[in-house]
Amino acid sequence: ETGVTQTPRHLVMGMTNKKSLKCEQHLGHNAMYWYKQSAKKPLELMFVYNFKEQTENNSVPSRFSPECPNSSHLFLHLHTLQPEDSALYLCASSLDRANQPQHFGDGTRLSIL
Amino acid sequence: GQQLNQSPQSMFIQEGEDVSMNCTSSSIFNTWLWYKQDPGEGPVLLIALYKAGELTSNGRLTAQFGITRKDSFLNISASIPSDVGIYFCAGPPNTDKLIFGTGTRLQVFP
Repeated sequence: ETGVTQTPRHLVMGMTNKKSLKCEQHLGHNAMYWYKQSAKKPLELMFVYNFKEQTENNSVPSRFSPECPNSSHLFLHLHTLQPEDSALYLCASSLDRANQPQHFGDGTRLSIL
Repeated sequence: GQQLNQSPQSMFIQEGEDVSMNCTSSSIFNTWLWYKQDPGEGPVLLIALYKAGELTSNGRLTAQFGITRKDSFLNISASIPSDVGIYFCAGPPNTDKLIFGTGTRLQVFP
């Protein structure tokens, strides 16, 4: 139990569907992150939120839309995704800055048909 | 973009053997982190290093922050089957992000 919970664990969707990934952390952290993990590639940072404000968007396509209603919850809204978007999406949190140790959830395995 | 180079990419060892892996950066880091990822799970933080030359242990794991601040090393002593997984190094090129290495995949045979 890492203190970071992601749901769902697995998601299969068509390219025209709209779905959302959810992340919740119980660590009292103020910074949260979305990462994409593809086979044979390093973890790719997508978004950074610090005290509910987005501080980094790593050139992510607009078909990925993050939302951070409070410091404990982070969502990733998905629409009109492409097959190359199939990957493991990981959420992480840290105390209040991105250069601190980050604690990860177990990820959502996303498959785009 | 900036990359962290991890080596080796994969290791196949026998139970009881010691393991060494390293990570190098093209620029200086103030922090080095080592994570392990088991199949179907997210990365779990193993060791955090904050000072050049620092040597820190976590059970059978020992990590070192290189003197040049551009590299770090992870050693596992007397490996066991549950050490199987992917080991990642990570470091912050600035205060806004962490970057991760490509990982070292470890297989342990009984």
